[in-house]
Amino acid sequence: SAVISQKPSRDICQRGTSLTIQCQVDSQVTMMFWYRQQPGQSLTLIATANQGSEATYESGFVIDKFPISRPNLTFSTLTVSNMSPEDSSIYLCSVVFLWDAGQETQYFGPGTRLLVL
Amino acid sequence: AQKVTQAQTEISVVEKEDVTLDCVYETRDTTYYLFWYKQPPSGELVFLIRRNSFDEQNEISGRYSWNFQKSTSSFNFTITASQVVDSAVYFCALSHPRVGGSQGNLIFGKGTKLSVKP
Repeated sequence: SAVISQKPSRDICQRGTSLTIQCQVDSQVTMMFWYRQQPGQSLTLIATANQGSEATYESGFVIDKFPISRPNLTFSTLTVSNMSPEDSSIYLCSVVFLWDAGQETQYFGPGTRLLVL
Repeated sequence: AQKVTQAQTEISVVEKEDVTLDCVYETRDTTYYLFWYKQPPSGELVFLIRRNSFDEQNEISGRYSWNFQKSTSSFNFTITASQVVDSAVYFCALSHPRVGGSQGNLIFGKGTKLSVKP
């Protein structure tokens, strides 16, 4: 499986500020995704991070609020802009990687715990 | 509609008991993939199993087993002789192939919180 790291692991931020989360993978991967997990909830897809082009956002998420970069096949960033307390969540990146007998599956980074005051 | 339902919000068992976590999915596609993930209190999401829609063979891995039944659109997860370390939130998820064949994003159920007491 891929080794996925995220920075920062957690942060406490003031409302109105922005935070950029980094996701680094130890090998090249084609598909990368960003998910949000609000407190006590399931995971919701924010966007697909496309290498060399604009991210593909899911309904309810917009580029102005969650700009994403994907400069190469091993790295992506997600920025949470103009934060409010409702943005307090765990943000996770995931990558598609070969699991077994050539099958792909998604592996997740350790997550970034964000608290907005 | 594409949807995953985990009707059990929380389950509490005593160590060494067997426990089954239910998962029911909805999809109109004939090709799809099913997954189980474990999220311990530390928060990290740990991949457990993947099943393809064309492979109904059940899977056993140690104390874990999975029962995939297309006829009932279910993909249930059983832990035998549960242990305290099994305490976590377990998510069932569904995905579909994208154009080009690569795996698409995951659609998650709401999760089942399992508490195993000593």
